[in-house]
Amino acid sequence: QSVLTQPPSASGTPGQRVTISCSGTRPNIGDNYVYWYQQLPGTAPKVLIYKTNQRSSGVPDRFSGSKSGTSASLAISGLRSDDEAHYYCAAWDDSLSGWVFGGGTMLTVL
Amino acid sequence: QVQVVESGGGVVQPGRSLRLSCEASKFTFSNYAMHWVRQGPGKGLEWVAVISFDGTKKYYADSVKGRFSISRDNSRSTVYLQMNSLRREDTALYYCAREGVSYSGMDVWGQGTTVTVSS
Repeated sequence: QSVLTQPPSASGTPGQRVTISCSGTRPNIGDNYVYWYQQLPGTAPKVLIYKTNQRSSGVPDRFSGSKSGTSASLAISGLRSDDEAHYYCAAWDDSLSGWVFGGGTMLTVL
Repeated sequence: QVQVVESGGGVVQPGRSLRLSCEASKFTFSNYAMHWVRQGPGKGLEWVAVISFDGTKKYYADSVKGRFSISRDNSRSTVYLQMNSLRREDTALYYCAREGVSYSGMDVWGQGTTVTVSS
């Protein structure tokens, strides 16, 4: 059971916009930055979004992050087949004094 | 290019110990905090531990607290994970990751080293 809750799967068709949610609590998402990582099949994770809504270098502006209260979201617009991957949210947790990840969302491009 | 390379994984019996290493190259290692993150077979990412740039601060996941120990040798650009009292549930691919500056996230990852705990 992950501290941060994500839907296990999401899907969309090419060109569509999809949103992946990440639900937490005040000690993690509520009071700290949220990060989003993309893990393509068979590869190491890569940071997409840092400090809740900042895109990492080289990440296209089709990817965007946001937060409201204790929930965060990753939005992907103009969906492409190579966006098919697992997406993980993460945050520092003040109560646990450690980092926590969501369980991950597998994005399928139909 | 900037990279980290993990080593030291293998098959180990429950209750035994193992030490993982992660060697960094092409960046000033002593300026960065370093993480260990693991991924069980078919599972998601689980953060394990982090050590500050100078080694003075260390934090652990509850699942490994008291059994695992993170350390670093800045002269060797290497971070270590000493794993004691290993359990079957510690079986995973262990990644080393650099924490970027200014809260930019875990921005450099290795390819991981596999630890299998089995009798």
